[in-house]
Amino acid sequence: EAQVTQNPRYLITVTGKKLTVTCSQNMNHEYMSWYRQDPGLGLRQIYYSMNVEVTDKGDVPEGYKVSRKEKRNFPLILESPSPNQTSLYFCASSLLGSDTEAFFGQGTRLTVV
Amino acid sequence: GDSVTQMEGPVTLSEEAFLTINCTYTATGYPSLFWYVQYPGEGLQLLLKATKADDKGSNKGFEATYRKETTSFHLEKGSVQVSDSAVYFCALSGTGGFKTIFGAGTRLFVKA
Repeated sequence: EAQVTQNPRYLITVTGKKLTVTCSQNMNHEYMSWYRQDPGLGLRQIYYSMNVEVTDKGDVPEGYKVSRKEKRNFPLILESPSPNQTSLYFCASSLLGSDTEAFFGQGTRLTVV
Repeated sequence: GDSVTQMEGPVTLSEEAFLTINCTYTATGYPSLFWYVQYPGEGLQLLLKATKADDKGSNKGFEATYRKETTSFHLEKGSVQVSDSAVYFCALSGTGGFKTIFGAGTRLFVKA
């Protein structure tokens, strides 16, 4: 089954404690991205990657890091989480192209206290 | 920059009512347009899309027409069901790289 898998689904952490949210896709997609979803703001892109070892900033990259060492994996790293990073996070993947469908993971609800 | 504006929710309807969710966009060039749906506790999934002017996308009784002259892509359904309760996102892509730009989302509640 074609899917994007994120882990964990829920996470509560304390300010400053490094964490990683994993994302994996099994569709051989070149393009992967991370979004955060906040009430009234929709989805905002954090980082994206067009292929292995090719990553770039989205609209709200501050406080986040990513890596793309393998085509299927695109982890999101918060080196020193802060409460303003409390949000719902989605990983997505797609083929390269302007009219292609994006496939989303089920989301990770992160709370930073 | 490019942007998508959709009507604020929540929208509350009775079962079998007619649904319209308005979406307008600002973009350079000729974007592809999408509607995604997010059911409770899940990620977004594609509902329908249109890639050029006057195209109509349709799926599961929903439809939307790409109107270049009014820069709109309104979502409609003739008779909603309780199972249609979800958040609906209008989106565009293709005007700068492969990025997809989303609207803020419109929450729909359908009452039995």
